[in-house]
Amino acid sequence: EPEVTQTPSHQVTQMGQEVILRCVPISNHLYFYWYRQILGQKVEFLVSFYNNEISEKSEIFDDQFSVERPDGSNFTLKIRSTKLEDSAMYFCASSDGTAGNSPLHFGNGTRLTVT
Amino acid sequence: AQTVTQSQPEMSVQEAETVTLSCTYDTSESDYYLFWYKQPPSRQMILVIRQEAYKQQNATENRFSVNFQKAAKSFSLKISDSQLGDAAMYFCAYRSANFGNEKLTFGTGTRLTIIP
Repeated sequence: EPEVTQTPSHQVTQMGQEVILRCVPISNHLYFYWYRQILGQKVEFLVSFYNNEISEKSEIFDDQFSVERPDGSNFTLKIRSTKLEDSAMYFCASSDGTAGNSPLHFGNGTRLTVT
Repeated sequence: AQTVTQSQPEMSVQEAETVTLSCTYDTSESDYYLFWYKQPPSRQMILVIRQEAYKQQNATENRFSVNFQKAAKSFSLKISDSQLGDAAMYFCAYRSANFGNEKLTFGTGTRLTIIP
């Protein structure tokens, strides 16, 4: 079964540094998402992306964050200047539609640790 | 804005027994989708079961079934014949049927422990 793949599985960075989290969605999917989960807390929506543009973003997704689909396969999340509170598990997800029979498929996540 | 509430932070069940996880949600929309996701220690989010709000029949997937009460805005998950591999965090999630608002909104999760 096709999978969403995320790299790296764990990223450690210093406060103020830029990080890029990478995702390869399922190949025929059109809708892409980033979520984050701070340790022990719920999964929070960051941004959705469709037709090469952001379709929705949350309050968390401020100017420090950006997303890009640089080619036909990758979907990246960039954090320009990381803060301690950005430490979390970041999940990429994709779907082939917006209906209930097009559920989100999640990757295994990237654990980001900001020191 | 939609909200999802899971009032049971932790639940435990004896192996082979049945357990029900609760979920309530708040929305003004009439058309939407509801999901249960499982997050084992590996941290991957795995879809367990889904329900379309316009369908009155409760969804079932093998040992997993839901009790969907639209008027009460309740969406509980029943796990029958619990197995050790069912141990995980379970998240209830809501998704609007409106185009441009297709994100998932998650509850805070219920940690399920299976007692051998």
